[in-house]
Order: sequence, then C-alpha cells, then structure tokens
Amino acid sequence: AQRVTQPEKLLSVFKGAPVELKCNYSYSGSPELFWYVQYSRQRLQLLLRHISRESIKGFTADLNKGETSFHLKKPFAQEEDSAMYYCALRVLQGGSEKLVFGKGTKLTVNP
Amino acid sequence: SAVISQKPSRDICQRGTSLTIQCQVDSQVTMMFWYRQQPGQSLTLIATANQGSEATYESGFVIDKFPISRPNLTFSTLTVSNMSPEDSSIYLCSVEGWREVYNEQFFGPGTRLTVL
Repeated sequence: AQRVTQPEKLLSVFKGAPVELKCNYSYSGSPELFWYVQYSRQRLQLLLRHISRESIKGFTADLNKGETSFHLKKPFAQEEDSAMYYCALRVLQGGSEKLVFGKGTKLTVNP
Repeated sequence: SAVISQKPSRDICQRGTSLTIQCQVDSQVTMMFWYRQQPGQSLTLIATANQGSEATYESGFVIDKFPISRPNLTFSTLTVSNMSPEDSSIYLCSVEGWREVYNEQFFGPGTRLTVL
C-alpha cells in the first residue's frame, strides 16, 4: 500500500543552523513527490516537487529511490521558515491520481 | 494558478445536525478534491468530484455521510451529515491547476468544524 512517513512530528533548530525534514515513502509505482508548507494562518501551498529539481526559498529535496526517501534540506534556517511541512506522494489508483500526505513536521526556527 | 474560497471558514454545530461547506474557484477546473484534516493528523482525501458525474469516494468515506455536489466547473459543496464529535476537523477543498509547465494541487483556506 502507498504510504508517506514523516518520523518527526516536531523539529526545532536555531537560526542559521542546517535543517533536514525527513520523508520516506512506500509505493510500487513510479513515485512523484512533493513538499507542501503551511505557514501560520495561511493555506497549504506547494513548496517544491522532485521533478523540477528546483531550490525554493533555499530548500532542496532529492528523491532517493534506493532509500525511498525525499528529505527536505536547507543549509541555513531562517525564522520565517517556521511552519508545518507535509511530504506528499502522487499515486495512481483506480484510474485516477491522488495525493497521499504524511502526518507533517512542525518546524520551529528559534532566534 | 487557482484561487479557492470556502464558506464557512468555521462553525460550531450540534451533534446530529448537518453542515454544508461551499467551495468556489476563480477558474474552471475539471477535478475538485475534498480533504479532512483531523486534529494532529495528516490530510486524508474524502472524495474526488468531477463535474457532471458522481463523486468518487475513498475507502472509509460514504456518500450518505459526505454527500457532494458539483453543479458546474467552478463550484462544489460537501455536506457533513448527522454529525458527531468525531467529525470535528478541518475540511479542505482542493483543485488541480497549472503553474508554469507543471500541474499542482491548490488548496482552499479550510473550514474548521467543531461538533459538540
């Protein structure tokens, strides 16, 4: 069955420190992975997707099929990065596509 | 991109009653999605609604409990029927749209429902 696991419910770092939010997935098909972010009092929005291989707001994520991981990284965290982060997997099921979300990691960047 | 609004933004309801949540999109979209986010939990897809056809429900969700309407390409409603405290959750509407060359899901602001 398809599943997305984010092992850390809470993550706290200091400003300027590196941050890594972990995401592992389970899927028999070809994976398409995303990171979504929800800042305080804002709606959920896409941060980045693995196929675009972009760096957004200093964040990067590499799909590692061998380890079935898609960890989100940033070398120097900023206070404005404090938010809820969700890893999501796009799956094909019953002829239609849907997103399967992890439980999320709340990142707090302390001054 | 797509801009989505939801009504109401929040509500407090009594057990046994029903609440209809509206979702309005600023552009025509084929597929609309309804999610539930229970306290401390992830987003769970309830159903996918295509215009002109019946909604497709995920395992664990049934039409009698969560009837959905999709009268046109910019609007949908989700009704939470015969509510119990376990239905207290945030309900999110989502659509697929295009940003640059990629399609992605855009989310509404959510409806926070509390059932007493």
